[in-house]
Amino acid sequence: AQTVTQSQPEMSVQEAETVTLSCTYDTSESNYYLFWYKQPPSRQMILVIRQEAYKQQNATENRFSVNFQKAAKSFSLKISDSQLGDTAMYFCAFMDSSNTGKLIFGQGTTLQVKP
Amino acid sequence: GAGVSQSPSNKVTEKGKDVELRCDPISGHTALYWYRQSLGQGLEFLIYFQGNSAPDKSGLPSDRFSAERTGGSVSTLTIQRTQQEDSAVYLCASSLDRGNSPLHFGNGTRLTVT
Repeated sequence: AQTVTQSQPEMSVQEAETVTLSCTYDTSESNYYLFWYKQPPSRQMILVIRQEAYKQQNATENRFSVNFQKAAKSFSLKISDSQLGDTAMYFCAFMDSSNTGKLIFGQGTTLQVKP
Repeated sequence: GAGVSQSPSNKVTEKGKDVELRCDPISGHTALYWYRQSLGQGLEFLIYFQGNSAPDKSGLPSDRFSAERTGGSVSTLTIQRTQQEDSAVYLCASSLDRGNSPLHFGNGTRLTVT
């Protein structure tokens, strides 16, 4: 069974600085998808970024980028120029290639951006 | 139009009562998912609907949990004889189709069983 682990329950960063959130996963598959979701206090899960495992190039979305290390089964999220609105809980998630769309989530990292 | 809508936003119920949680997916989305988020935990998959296919119920924790999706649109998650451990946020998501289409989540229903 696939598992996703986020080893940092809480992190904080000063506004405008860079922070990296860690995520590791376990799977025997070679093709899959990885995601980072943001959950602000509103509770709505918002997709931040996604990565296809067959793509070697790291995904980037504006201030958000990932460091995808397939061999190490690591998928970290880097947030550059942190903003107060980035304060939220961040979840790493795994989806296999079975086309069901089912996501397996990590336990989450609470990020606080300080002014 | 609007995003995924869930109701009620919050629900407090007494142990042993039945509850129904509602999800209105984005129009045109054929896939619908229910997840449960316990305090301080990640999301746990409960059930998945895709079009007219039989739902994937592999995540339902007990036979007290059931879900329906009528007309391929609105879904209702029912919890019978609620227990305190059922207290959690129940999140619904929909996507355009299965596979790697992005999931769009609602704001969830916070269920508290007293």
